[in-house]
Amino acid sequence: QKEVEQNSGPLSVPEGAIASLNCTYSDRGSQSFFWYRQYSGKSPELIMSIYSNGDKEDGRFTAQLNKASQYVSLLIRDSQPSDSATYLCAVRDKAAGNKLTFGGGTRVLVKP
Amino acid sequence: GAVVSQHPSRVICKSGTSVKIECRSLDFQATTMFWYRQFPKQSLMLMATSNEGSKATYEQGVEKDKFLINHASLTLSTLTVTSAHPEDSSFYICSAEGVAGQEDTQYFGPGTRLTVL
Repeated sequence: QKEVEQNSGPLSVPEGAIASLNCTYSDRGSQSFFWYRQYSGKSPELIMSIYSNGDKEDGRFTAQLNKASQYVSLLIRDSQPSDSATYLCAVRDKAAGNKLTFGGGTRVLVKP
Repeated sequence: GAVVSQHPSRVICKSGTSVKIECRSLDFQATTMFWYRQFPKQSLMLMATSNEGSKATYEQGVEKDKFLINHASLTLSTLTVTSAHPEDSSFYICSAEGVAGQEDTQYFGPGTRLTVL
């Protein structure tokens, strides 16, 4: 069974600090990796997608992928109170019909 | 771009009634739409995958006769919860995957909160 694991948190960070979120996945055939942010009572919104090993930066967000270690991470620089949300890691394998497998999410709390 | 809408956003119904939820891709054609359910403090659980013009593929444990899915066009999919019961109360979210330019990325609708009394 394909699994995506995340620390449920909460991850508490002071405003302005870097929040570091981790995600591991079990299926080596996974090809695409996504980070979604979900505010309480709302649906997920896409933050980043990453497909190849290394780092990908978009504004204050950096995604890191290491396929050999089956590990993907998300860094949030200069964390703001508005970043307080649950962050969902999602992994996709085209051979499995393009379905996304979601982790349980990491709750982040940014304290002013 | 890549906007997905859902209607209604919230619905309260009596036990035994049927509820239809619409999912629309507003600015792109969706080759595939997905329906998820999310219970409080839990992650998203995929219910079914819907391709335009063909029957939906349901995940294990999801009753296809209870959760009817129709994907009649490249911009519209509907989920009908038939004979709803209180245990069906949940947050139902659709997502859509686009054609060219947005392939491989799912964009989520705002969700529909269903409460069955």
